[in-house]
Amino acid sequence: KAGVTQTPRYLIKTRGQQVTLSCSPISGHRSVSWYQQTPGQGLQFLFEYFSETQRNKGNFPGRFSGRQFSNSRSEMNVSTLELGDSALYLCASSRDRGTGELFFGEGSRLTVL
Amino acid sequence: DAKTTQPTSMDCAEGRAANLPCNHSTISGNEYVYWYRQIHSQGPQYIIHGLKNNETNEMASLIITEDRKSSTLILPHATLRDTAVYYCIVRVGYGNKLVFGSGTILRVKS
Repeated sequence: KAGVTQTPRYLIKTRGQQVTLSCSPISGHRSVSWYQQTPGQGLQFLFEYFSETQRNKGNFPGRFSGRQFSNSRSEMNVSTLELGDSALYLCASSRDRGTGELFFGEGSRLTVL
Repeated sequence: DAKTTQPTSMDCAEGRAANLPCNHSTISGNEYVYWYRQIHSQGPQYIIHGLKNNETNEMASLIITEDRKSSTLILPHATLRDTAVYYCIVRVGYGNKLVFGSGTILRVKS
C-alpha cells in the first residue's frame, strides 16, 4: 500500500513569507504527527492530530500551526518565516494513538532565504 | 521525559551482528522502549519496541535488562544497507509524541 506522501518535497521561501505543507497518511491511519529536523536540534516534535483535533503540541512558537481534515490528511503552516525555520519537515502517520509505531514520509525540505 | 543515552557512533563488519546499546535509567514502569532508524535523506523507520520482555521481529531483536534501565538492539546479520542513525526512545504517556535524542551512527563496513 502507498506510504505517507508529503508535498512539496522541496521549497524555497524568503523571510516573512508563509508556507503550507501537506501530508497524506497511509490509508486507514487516523493519527498524523509532524516533526522538524535540523542539524543543530535534531528531530523535534511539532504536533499530533487525531480525529481532526490537535492532541499534543511541542515547544514551538504560535507561528507553527496545523490541522487535520476528515479524511485524515493534514497540513501544517508556518507564518512569518525566519531563517531558523529552514529544516526538513517530516510527517508521520499511525493507525491510532496507542501504538507508537509511526510511519514517516520522506519530508518537505524548506529553505528560508 | 525519560532520557536515553547512546554511543555517538559504532562500526560493524558486514555479516556480523550489530549490538547497539541504550541506557534509560529513569524509565518508569509503564514506559515502552522504541527503536527507530534513519537512513540518510529518508524519514525515520520504525524497527521494534518493548516493555520488559525481549522482542524479536523480522528486522531485529530487542533485549531489555530485568531492571529496565538499559536495552540492546541487535541486528543479527548487518548489511551495508543497515548503515544509518539508530534512535532509542522512551515513549512517555499516550499518543505519538516521540522524543528523539542524538542517536547512534552505525557504520557497516565490508
